[in-house]
Amino acid sequence: DIKMTQSPSSMYASLGERVTITCKASQDINSYLSWFQQKPGKSPKTLIYRANRLVDGVPSRFSGSGSGQDYSLSISSLEYEDMGIYYCLQYDEFPTFGGGTKLEIK
Amino acid sequence: QIQLVQSGPELKKPGETVKISCKASDYTFTDYSMHWVKQAPGKGLKWMGWINTETGEPTYADDFKGRFAFSLETSASTAYLQINNLKNEDTATYLCSRRDDGFAYWGQGTLVTVSA
Repeated sequence: DIKMTQSPSSMYASLGERVTITCKASQDINSYLSWFQQKPGKSPKTLIYRANRLVDGVPSRFSGSGSGQDYSLSISSLEYEDMGIYYCLQYDEFPTFGGGTKLEIK
Repeated sequence: QIQLVQSGPELKKPGETVKISCKASDYTFTDYSMHWVKQAPGKGLKWMGWINTETGEPTYADDFKGRFAFSLETSASTAYLQINNLKNEDTATYLCSRRDDGFAYWGQGTLVTVSA
């Protein structure tokens, strides 16, 4: 199985700050990577698919990049509503999630 | 609009069986496989496997072989997850998700609580 190593596991950031979360796959996943945001008691919300494609309706402050084994999610200017837990998911082979990043406002 | 609507919360005793449903609407059910994900309380997301909605063939992750079963009722555009011989560690929210490019659609989750 492909292992996804996500970092950091938690972070505090200030409103307006640029935030970056990374995921490293144990092998090349050919950009088959999604990013999700999850809020308490809710199901995951898909933000990015195929590493860098923004889901319709997701604010443009979210962006994804990367290739091969290394991927990142960026939020250009943090807003209060961006608090939550973020997960990456590879779906090149049997899907596997990263461990999650809990994002809190400083 | 495309929706996946799951059945309501369940409270079960150890050793019992639970069957959770995931009803799809507004798309051709057999065009996309259905995947299942487990989220234990306060924990991350864990892939359980999927079912081919055309053939009914299930595929299970290693940790979910044996007591877990995926099935379909294609005429009702519904996928099911059955867990047999429930254990305390099965207490979790179970989510269904349609396999498209990126898993864009999710059910709202079904909380299963296992307690004597």
